[in-house]
Amino acid sequence: NAGVTQTPKFQVLKTGQSMTLQCAQDMNHNSMYWYRQDPGMGLRLIYYSASEGTTDKGEVPNGYNVSRLNKREFSLRLESAAPSQTSVYFCAIRGASTDTQYFGPGTRLTVL
Amino acid sequence: GDSVTQMEGPVTLSEEAFLTINCTYTATGYPSLFWYVQYPGEGLQLLLKATKADDKGSNKGFEATYRKETTSFHLEKGSVQVSDSAVYFCAGGSGGSYIPTFGRGTSLIVHP
Repeated sequence: NAGVTQTPKFQVLKTGQSMTLQCAQDMNHNSMYWYRQDPGMGLRLIYYSASEGTTDKGEVPNGYNVSRLNKREFSLRLESAAPSQTSVYFCAIRGASTDTQYFGPGTRLTVL
Repeated sequence: GDSVTQMEGPVTLSEEAFLTINCTYTATGYPSLFWYVQYPGEGLQLLLKATKADDKGSNKGFEATYRKETTSFHLEKGSVQVSDSAVYFCAGGSGGSYIPTFGRGTSLIVHP
């Protein structure tokens, strides 16, 4: 997971609260992704950003917003958390000249 | 759309046993294929990959061959160790926007 950091590592929210998950990379890669991982569901793409200034919806974008603040940072915001958003969230990056993704260590979110 | 199907787990083996985890893909073109591994409490990391038909990816004693005729990329290891216990994800991806498709993951448990 070298090169991709995520904060916080753990978070507990109450229904209706908001929070922002942070992702930063030091590999100077263009593409960044947010996934959620749920038991038996594998990885599902929430949003991605092909380059600074662009973002696109993935498979499960409802209830989330993203910001590609600069080339290094890509944040995921939950405006009004719901129990269905309890999950492990992973940020990933990819360089223009490679098809390999590099993942952060994850944020474990519980919404009560 | 593209899809990746991998065998469901958990797969439970004794140390030094032979491992096979099946993965098949459906895609309009010929994607790059990957196996990622996720150790407990960590993010995914690349285990091996193959970018074209008949390529063999290998790493840490694991191997997988890109079989175009059977659209498969099965993961194998001749002698597993307790330290191989993890969740293994098969994935495929191609194209300019590069949104890879992940399988649901296969949990491997290796007993001493």
